[in-house]
Amino acid sequence: EVQLVESGGDLVQPGGSLRLSCAASGFSFIDSWMTWLRQAPGKGLEWVAHIKEDGTEKYYVDSVKGRFTISRDNAKNSLYLQMNSLRAEDTAVYYCAKIPRVSVPYWGQGTLVTVSS
Amino acid sequence: DVVMTQSPLSLPVTLGQPASISCRSSQSLVHSDGNTYLDWFHQRPRQSPRRLIYMVSNRDSGVPDRFSGSGSGTDFTLTISRVEAEDVGIFYCMQTTHWPHNFGQGTKLEIK
Repeated sequence: EVQLVESGGDLVQPGGSLRLSCAASGFSFIDSWMTWLRQAPGKGLEWVAHIKEDGTEKYYVDSVKGRFTISRDNAKNSLYLQMNSLRAEDTAVYYCAKIPRVSVPYWGQGTLVTVSS
Repeated sequence: DVVMTQSPLSLPVTLGQPASISCRSSQSLVHSDGNTYLDWFHQRPRQSPRRLIYMVSNRDSGVPDRFSGSGSGTDFTLTISRVEAEDVGIFYCMQTTHWPHNFGQGTKLEIK
């Protein structure tokens, strides 16, 4: 059974930092592009960052460039999102996902990040 | 960046009746490899999204055949032949042809 389990969400003050983790199991993580997406309360979905199987290519949405860093540890089947200089508008549920163009996609249940003083 | 525009944003439908959602992109979604990477997702309340359709018209495994996708270039449609109660939620189109990959605003389907 495929599982993606996010952790690390918390309440943090503006300007603060947080590191999200995603533990993957049940599929070949080392062969998978992985993605972080987010959904602000009551809002739509936003693709945040994307990382190639070997970590050599990374893509970010403009609103997080220079503040967020996506990374992975294939030996631990884990995906990470380091979030710095957090803003109120970063408040959202953050999802870890494998969304291939053709084969079956998988999403985690999400972890809530709240940026507030 | 590509802008994805869905309509309508709210869709009240009677059970058993058909429904359709439009998704338009600000530029062609035909990739340099010749494929068009336009997907449809459904998100039920308090759940993670689930993909229904990939590459315009291909149903994911386990998706009922009352869901179908069509379109080309910049103009795409999700059609539900007969709406059921479990279809309540928000439908999103998503493109992965161009970076940044992105979603439409979402269409909220509710039962009349």
